[in-house]
Amino acid sequence: GDSVTQMEGPVTLSEEAFLTINCTYTATGYPSLFWYVQYPGEGLQLLLKATKADDKGSNKGFEATYRKETTSFHLEKGSVQVSDSAVYFCALAGAQKLVFGQGTRLTINP
Amino acid sequence: GAGVSQSPSNKVTEKGKDVELRCDPISGHTALYWYRQSLGQGLEFLIYFQGNSAPDKSGLPSDRFSAERTGGSVSTLTIQRTQQEDSAVYLCASSHGQAGANVLTFGAGSRLTVL
Repeated sequence: GDSVTQMEGPVTLSEEAFLTINCTYTATGYPSLFWYVQYPGEGLQLLLKATKADDKGSNKGFEATYRKETTSFHLEKGSVQVSDSAVYFCALAGAQKLVFGQGTRLTINP
Repeated sequence: GAGVSQSPSNKVTEKGKDVELRCDPISGHTALYWYRQSLGQGLEFLIYFQGNSAPDKSGLPSDRFSAERTGGSVSTLTIQRTQQEDSAVYLCASSHGQAGANVLTFGAGSRLTVL
């Protein structure tokens, strides 16, 4: 069945560091892919998405490119801020529902 | 309403008791989802409603779990005879249609602790 695998966390970085959070998926066909973010005390919210191969989703300085060759959708940001501290979830659109990865907790130190 | 509202935000109960968790989706959203977030387990799908019917309830972990939705709006997730392994954050989300084609809006969750 459909599944999403994210890099193990937690991840701790210093402010202005480069961020990569790896995400790979297993699915039939080419599903839409998503990154959701959960800030402390808040509900999950959509960060970015890509609906087809080679699409790049971007928002708030974050980017992710849909790579069908490697079945990946890695999240990147060139210079992280303390306010980026949150839990990040990669997801794919399965049959009638989103299938999520296990989440990666990111902490940015000033 | 403006967002997805869940209640209670926190619930502590004793093993063996029943609990009810409520979700108020965004007005007009036909699709409603329940997920469970356990420490280290990510987001586990429980059940999906389209209107008042549940085309996919494959994620409900056991027959102690049930959910209903009335009037195409409010949904209640009921856990009977709670066990310690039921401790988790239960998340509700809604969307205009099926997830994937439509963005899911999540509530802040109901944190359940079973002693």
